[in-house]
Amino acid sequence: DAKTTQPPSMDCAEGRAANLPCNHSTISGNEYVYWYRQIHSQGPQYIIHGLKNNETNEMASLIITEDRKSSTLILPHATLRDTAVYYCIVRAGNFNKFYFGSGTKLNVKP
Amino acid sequence: NAGVTQTPKFQVLKTGQSMTLQCAQDMNHEYMSWYRQDPGMGLRLIHYSVGAGITDQGEVPNGYNVSRSTTEDFPLRLLSAAPSQTSVYFCASSYGRGVGNSPLHFGNGTRLTVT
Repeated sequence: DAKTTQPPSMDCAEGRAANLPCNHSTISGNEYVYWYRQIHSQGPQYIIHGLKNNETNEMASLIITEDRKSSTLILPHATLRDTAVYYCIVRAGNFNKFYFGSGTKLNVKP
Repeated sequence: NAGVTQTPKFQVLKTGQSMTLQCAQDMNHEYMSWYRQDPGMGLRLIHYSVGAGITDQGEVPNGYNVSRSTTEDFPLRLLSAAPSQTSVYFCASSYGRGVGNSPLHFGNGTRLTVT
């Protein structure tokens, strides 16, 4: 499994876009990039995932570089409720282990 | 659908006691897993299963047993609880092997304290 590297913390002003980076330089061709977030001690919440192409859903956008060695999660208009720890994970289809790193603590400030 | 259901929500044990944390899912997911999360830390994989009758170890399996007799249930057993096992335990499930394009769904956790 490819491992991921994320900054430990980031700040963002309310209403602005939050851009959370993730490095996964050892990613394999069949590994998907997943993003989750965890608010307080609740169960992690799925946000978005992708393989090669950029993806967008109602929560966020995922930008994956052409070489797939890094990605960015974009929350277009951050709110105070987006304050959480965000985890970037890679997963292969034939390898069922999800490994979580330490994540990025996003602080959205008024 | 209920999704992933974990019971109990809270539990206090004395050192040496045993107990079983329950996890059930109603999404017909082949893959189920257990994580523990210590204060201020990320999630660490304890055990996982890719289908009924099949289990395997994750990063931190010592002190825990699992079994998978049905697709729906994946209980986690603590054989002899130790204070180091004080943690929040999360169960998660997804579609399984060959389906990398499948998010994990998490339960709400069991908060275990061992005194």
